Amino acid sequence: EDQVTQSPEALRLQEGESSSLNCSYTVSGLRGLFWYRQDPGKGPEFLFTLYSAGEEKEKERLKATLTKKESFLHITAPKPEDSATYLCAVQESGYSSASKIIFGSGTRLSIRP
Amino acid sequence: DVKVTQSSRYLVKRTGEKVFLECVQDMDHENMFWYRQDPGLGLRLIYFSYDVKMKEKGDIPEGYSVSREKKERFSLILESASTNQTSMYLCASSPKTGGPETQYFGPGTRLLVL
Repeated sequence: EDQVTQSPEALRLQEGESSSLNCSYTVSGLRGLFWYRQDPGKGPEFLFTLYSAGEEKEKERLKATLTKKESFLHITAPKPEDSATYLCAVQESGYSSASKIIFGSGTRLSIRP
Repeated sequence: DVKVTQSSRYLVKRTGEKVFLECVQDMDHENMFWYRQDPGLGLRLIYFSYDVKMKEKGDIPEGYSVSREKKERFSLILESASTNQTSMYLCASSPKTGGPETQYFGPGTRLLVL
């Protein structure tokens, strides 16, 4: 069965304390892995797509990496405004529509000033 | 600024009531989606629509129906609300051939069924 598991469920960091969020997945073939940011009271906002093992994407203090079984979202020197829930989702190969994606349950990140 | 709007941010209903959740997008997108988001379960697709009057079941359609009479509007209907339908409901839209990276989400409706 296709699955996406995110860990940890919640992470509290001090401002400037770098860390990583994990997304492990089980699909028969991967078309793409997606990272989203969700602020309280808002819908998810797309961050990155990764398509193949070894690929990396960066945006400000965030860097996403992909292996054959998992993805990491690295947060370097985070600021309080990086506090949010980060969602991971995968899409199986052979599908391109947004209707065929599997979401993880998210990691709730809190950055203390 | 592109927008997906949902009719209510918070809603409290009684068991057995008929509930309508409305979603409107202003991007002329063909695809529209309804998800529910529950702690520990992530987002799960209820229904989606790829054109006016067209709909397809998602992963958890039981207890729900949808209506899409106009391109910009997609409604989720709970025919007889039950307590296990208490959840956050998220609407999204995307272009016709767009993948997940092209989806825009609304702010969500938090529904409490008593």
